[in-house]
Amino acid sequence: GNSVTQMEGPVTLSEEAFLTINCTYTATGYPSLFWYVQYPGEGLQLLLKATKADDKGSNKGFEATYRKETTSFHLEKGSVQVSDSAVYFCALRSPGANSKLTFGKGITLSVRP
Amino acid sequence: GAVVSQHPSRVICKSGTSVKIECRSLDFQATTMFWYRQFPKQSLMLMATSNEGSKATYEQGVEKDKFLINHASLTLSTLTVTSAHPEDSSFYICSASSASGGAADTQYFGPGTRLTVL
Repeated sequence: GNSVTQMEGPVTLSEEAFLTINCTYTATGYPSLFWYVQYPGEGLQLLLKATKADDKGSNKGFEATYRKETTSFHLEKGSVQVSDSAVYFCALRSPGANSKLTFGKGITLSVRP
Repeated sequence: GAVVSQHPSRVICKSGTSVKIECRSLDFQATTMFWYRQFPKQSLMLMATSNEGSKATYEQGVEKDKFLINHASLTLSTLTVTSAHPEDSSFYICSASSASGGAADTQYFGPGTRLTVL
């Protein structure tokens, strides 16, 4: 079955530091890949997505590239801000209309001023 | 972007009572809605998938008689926790997806409902 593995957290960084959050997956076929962000006290928001190999999703300075050869979708940001403090979830969805999402465990990012 | 609301945002109830949580898609028609449960510091666990006008499909281990799901229209789904017990206390999140347009490949999430059963 499908699965998503995220690096263990939490992660604490200083403002303007470089961020990498690792995500690898196991799936049949060619899934779509997603990063969701959950700010304190709020629901999940879609941060970015990629639907095929070598696609790069980007939003708010975050980027992730769909790497089929390494089955990875690592999230990166060149310079984090305090406002980026949140929980980040990697997820995949197999092809097919409205098929379900499979989430990783999530990782908490705290950014210090 | 697509907006999904949930009501109530927080609810406290006594053990043995039933609680209904509403999930609405505000600016698109949601042919499919999903209900998740999130435990503290853990990921989301899919409970069930509901398509408008048909019975929900429950994930393995989720009691369908305890967690009643109704998806009566393209903009509203409800989750009723029947005879709630303290172990049902959790954060319940819904998401909605459309079969057409830009939202077809994406689930949009509600802000969640914090249920506390005393």
